[in-house]
Amino acid sequence: AQSVSQHNHHVILSEAASLELGCNYSYGGTVNLFWYVQYPGQHLQLLLKYFSGDPLVKGIKGFEAEFIKSKFSFNLRKPSVQWSDTAEYFCAVETNTDKLIFGTGTRLQVFP
Amino acid sequence: DVKVTQSSRYLVKRTGEKVFLECVQDMDHENMFWYRQDPGLGLRLIYFSYDVKMKEKGDIPEGYSVSREKKERFSLILESASTNQTSMYLCASSRDREGGEAFFGQGTRLTVV
Repeated sequence: AQSVSQHNHHVILSEAASLELGCNYSYGGTVNLFWYVQYPGQHLQLLLKYFSGDPLVKGIKGFEAEFIKSKFSFNLRKPSVQWSDTAEYFCAVETNTDKLIFGTGTRLQVFP
Repeated sequence: DVKVTQSSRYLVKRTGEKVFLECVQDMDHENMFWYRQDPGLGLRLIYFSYDVKMKEKGDIPEGYSVSREKKERFSLILESASTNQTSMYLCASSRDREGGEAFFGQGTRLTVV
C-alpha cells in the first residue's frame, strides 16, 4: 500500500536555526509531491509542490524541498526559521490515480 | 479564490445516529477528498472521488460512506456514529493531476457521545 513517512514528529528550534524535515514515500509509480502547512487555528495551505523538472523546488516564505527519486524522499528545508514558522507541516503524495496521501505531520515550535 | 465550504464547524451527535457531513467547492474541481485528522496520526484518507458518482476507498473507509451526485458537492456519511469516530473531518478538492494543489475546507469537529 502507498504510504508517506515523516520521521520527525516534534521539532523545537530557536529563531535563525536551520530546518530540515524528512519525508519518504512508498509508491512505485509516478508521483506529484507536496508540502502543506497548518498554522494554529487555520486550515491547511500549500507550501510548495513538485510535479516534474528541477528536483529542487522553492515555495513560499523561504522554504524549499528536494526530490531525490532514488531515495523516494522529498525533504523540506529552510535556512533560517522564524517564530512565525511555528506550525504543523505535512508531506503529501499524489499517485497516478489522483489519490492524495498525507504523512503524520511534524509539529514545529520556534522560540524567539 | 477557491472556496471549499464544509457545512458545520462543530457537531455533537449521539452514538448510533446517522451523520451527514457536507462539502461544497466552487471551482469546478474534478477531485474531492474526505480526511480525518487526529493528533499524531496526521490526515488519513477516508474516501475520494475523481468524478460525479465515482468514488474510491481511502485508507480507513470502514464505518463511512460517501455520495457525489453533483460535481461541486461531496458528502460523507456515518451510517451509525460511534465514539471512535470523534475527530476533525477535512474536505478538500483539486483539479486533475495537471492542476495538482488541493484546497481545504475549515474542517468539522465531530464529537460522538
